[in-house]
Amino acid sequence: AQSVTQLDSHVSVSEGTPVLLRCNYSSSYSPSLFWYVQHPNKGLQLLLKYTSAATLVKGINGFEAEFKKSETSFHLTKPSAHMSDAAEYFCVVSTNTGFQKLVFGTGTRLLVSP
Amino acid sequence: DAMVIQNPRYQVTQFGKPVTLSCSQTLNHNVMYWYQQKSSQAPKLLFHYYDKDFNNEADTPDNFQSRRPNTSFCFLDIRSPGLGDAAMYLCATSRVGLRTDTQYFGPGTRLTVL
Repeated sequence: AQSVTQLDSHVSVSEGTPVLLRCNYSSSYSPSLFWYVQHPNKGLQLLLKYTSAATLVKGINGFEAEFKKSETSFHLTKPSAHMSDAAEYFCVVSTNTGFQKLVFGTGTRLLVSP
Repeated sequence: DAMVIQNPRYQVTQFGKPVTLSCSQTLNHNVMYWYQQKSSQAPKLLFHYYDKDFNNEADTPDNFQSRRPNTSFCFLDIRSPGLGDAAMYLCATSRVGLRTDTQYFGPGTRLTVL
C-alpha cells in the first residue's frame, strides 16, 4: 500500500529565508507524488506533481521538489519565503492500482514571520 | 475563470436537519470526488463518481449520499447531520482517474451543525 509521511507538523521560517518541507513516501511501484497547499478556509491548490519524468519538479510560486528514489523522499523547497506562503502543505501519493485515490500526509503548517 | 465551484461557501444547519451541498465544474472532467476535512486533519475521501458510476468508500456513513445529475454538477446530501459532521467539505475533479491525473479542488463548503 502507498503512504506518505510528513516529518514536521510545523515549520517556522523568517521572510526571505529558505523553506524545506520534508516528505517520505512508501510505494511498491513508481509513485505519482503531489504537493498541495491549503490556505485558511480555502480549498487545496496543486503546487507541483511528479509522475516519473524529470526528478526535479518545478511548481508554482517558486516552489520545487526533488524525487529521490534512493531516499524515498519528495521534499518541497523554496529559496526565499514570502509572507503569503504561510499555509498548510500536504504531501500526497496516488494509489497505483485501480482507480486513482489520493493518500494524504498529515500536513505541515508553514509559519512565516516578518 | 473558476473551474470547480462550490455553493454555499458556508452552511449552517440544525442537528438532524437535512442539508445539500453543491459542486459544479467547467472542466468537463469525468470524475468528481467528495472529501470531508475536519479541523487540522487531512481530507478524507467519502465517494466519487466516474461519469454516472457511483463509488462509495467502505467507511463512509450511510448518512452521506450523493447525486450527479449531469457531467457538470454533483451534490452531497447529509440526511441527518450530527455534531460530528461539522467539517469542511471539498469537491474535486479529475479527467479520467488515472494515477497521474491531477485532482482540482473547489474552495470548499464549511458546514456548521448547531
